[in-house]
Amino acid sequence: DVKVTQSSRYLVKRTGEKVFLECVQDMDHENMFWYRQDPGLGLRLIYFSYDVKMKEKGDIPEGYSVSREKKERFSLILESASTNQTSMYLCGAGTGELFFGEGSRLTVL
Amino acid sequence: GQSLEQPSEVTAVEGAIVQINCTYQTSGFYGLSWYQQHDGGAPTFLSYNALDGLEETGRFSSFLSRSDSYGYLLLQELQMKDSASYFCAVRDQEAAGNKLTFGGGTRVLVKP
Repeated sequence: DVKVTQSSRYLVKRTGEKVFLECVQDMDHENMFWYRQDPGLGLRLIYFSYDVKMKEKGDIPEGYSVSREKKERFSLILESASTNQTSMYLCGAGTGELFFGEGSRLTVL
Repeated sequence: GQSLEQPSEVTAVEGAIVQINCTYQTSGFYGLSWYQQHDGGAPTFLSYNALDGLEETGRFSSFLSRSDSYGYLLLQELQMKDSASYFCAVRDQEAAGNKLTFGGGTRVLVKP
């Protein structure tokens, strides 16, 4: 099975701070994804990448950017965090079957 | 746009059968997946249907009707450990760059 590791389980940041969420997968998979999960809204796709240096916007990319310099690593960046970005962030890798990391719960004060 | 509809919550007793329906409207369709997520945990893959019909994996089965844009997940012989949220997700294309769009999730509560 693919193992997906997210760098931080819990973060607390202040409005306006720059936030980096790191995700690493151990099985050389082309596709990687960033979702945010909010109660009642399910998982909403922020960005995804199907190759190194390739990225595609998902359904809610505003306020986020991503970086994929190496195949195993996909980073989510909040250039200037806002309170409405308080959420659970999930990184996934795979194709028909996605493997997810444990999630990063971000609180923006 | 993409939209998937599933009930928000279902309650049942141990040993019962629960069916979670999912209807979808998507610009592309290549397959329907189901994921389970326990509180505090990551979503884990349960099943995938690309063709019409029923796929059975132990106590869980998944069904797809592409003509009706509809699928369901059937949980049989419910156990307490099945209390979790269940998400349907549509894969929009076969090619590279395919993405998964998720429904809002169905919370299943199993009572003794």
